[in-house]
Amino acid sequence: AQSVTQLGSHVSVSEGALVLLRCNYSSSVPPYLFWYVQYPNQGLQLLLKYTSAATLVKGINGFEAEFKKSETSFHLTKPSAHMSDAAEYFCAVSEGGNKLVFGAGTILRVKS
Amino acid sequence: DTAVSQTPKYLVTQMGNDKSIKCEQNLGHDTMYWYKQDSKKFLKIMFSYNNKELIINETVPNRFSPKSPDKAHLNLHINSLELGDSAVYFCASSPSGGGSYEQYFGPGTRLTVT
Repeated sequence: AQSVTQLGSHVSVSEGALVLLRCNYSSSVPPYLFWYVQYPNQGLQLLLKYTSAATLVKGINGFEAEFKKSETSFHLTKPSAHMSDAAEYFCAVSEGGNKLVFGAGTILRVKS
Repeated sequence: DTAVSQTPKYLVTQMGNDKSIKCEQNLGHDTMYWYKQDSKKFLKIMFSYNNKELIINETVPNRFSPKSPDKAHLNLHINSLELGDSAVYFCASSPSGGGSYEQYFGPGTRLTVT
């Protein structure tokens, strides 16, 4: 069965600094991988997805993620954090069916 | 133009009551889902319907009963509410045809059972 581990339940960065949110997955088949963002009191919004095409995936709001099969990782990065990036971020994996399995989430705090 | 909408947004009720949450999507998707997000923000799938047919039914108490009158609607009825049912419930939808499609989420319904 697929699973996701997000290292670090809270990450704090200064405005303008690099954002790195870690995600490792477990899957018995080539996975589909997703990053979602949740702002306070809102639903989840897709940032980007990996579907076995390019291993470096670019998403919205300047975020990108790199699929590394050897490390079973799909870390999310952004070169320069903005105050508006403060939110909770969820990594999710699908093995090709309709079922998405989510990680526990990482709260990103951006300091001015 | 709201893609996935849920009503109500907030629901406060007492233990033992029965309540329903409604979800509608106007994206033309064939598949709809219910997720539960607990107080620690952990998000877990409960049910999924494809063209009105139940395709995913996780280990959920049978007090929870989803109903899909058509492929654009998926409602969740909860009987005999318990304190542990307090959570945010999200509806989502996606095209059918495999897991490569992202799921579009509604704004959530915050259920508080007192």
